[in-house]
Amino acid sequence: EAGVTQSPTHLIKTRGQQATLRCSPISGHTSVYWYQQALGLGLQFLLWYDEGEERNRGNFPPRFSGRQFPNYSSELNVNALELEDSALYLCASSRGLNTGELFFGEGSRLTVL
Amino acid sequence: AQRVTQPEKLLSVFKGAPVELKCNYSYSGSPELFWYVQYSRQRLQLLLRHISRESIKGFTADLNKGETSFHLKKPFAQEEDSAMYYCALSGFQGAQKLVFGQGTRLTINP
Repeated sequence: EAGVTQSPTHLIKTRGQQATLRCSPISGHTSVYWYQQALGLGLQFLLWYDEGEERNRGNFPPRFSGRQFPNYSSELNVNALELEDSALYLCASSRGLNTGELFFGEGSRLTVL
Repeated sequence: AQRVTQPEKLLSVFKGAPVELKCNYSYSGSPELFWYVQYSRQRLQLLLRHISRESIKGFTADLNKGETSFHLKKPFAQEEDSAMYYCALSGFQGAQKLVFGQGTRLTINP
């Protein structure tokens, strides 16, 4: 069984640009979660999608947005990049709501110069 | 609001010694608690959940609602236990996001 896959592995952008990160969940999983792991800050919850709908959102500005496609894959968009957006962005999937067991990808490392 | 606190960023113990990783939480409803682990060069993965009440790799964790704690314990540490450990919380019922603590890096010295 293929795990959660994320692309790109690394991404370098400059301030003000936009970044798009992609995630493919495990087959059969309908929920996709996005977390930001910045240096020294642990995992900060960003967004949660299930069955194509946004279920919950963390305390991040609106320039962080995303969507989930009919095949349950997801993308995270970050507009007007700022230096502090530099972080590892982790995607996770689960079989549905309420499971609590998330399966994580290896992450996309975003560097903003 | 859901909040998870892991007071120790770093914890170092000797092989064979007991280990306890602390986790405290804040949540107004009925919580479901988890421990996740990330070994070197591996993905973050679920270690155990309080609802299962099982021991995984010798680790146990008991939910103490009075003290709002969910500490992770192992009586005899092994070198392969060295990893980053995250405590996480979600609501017990309904669709609830999973919130993580900041993590504790556990190092087992030989």
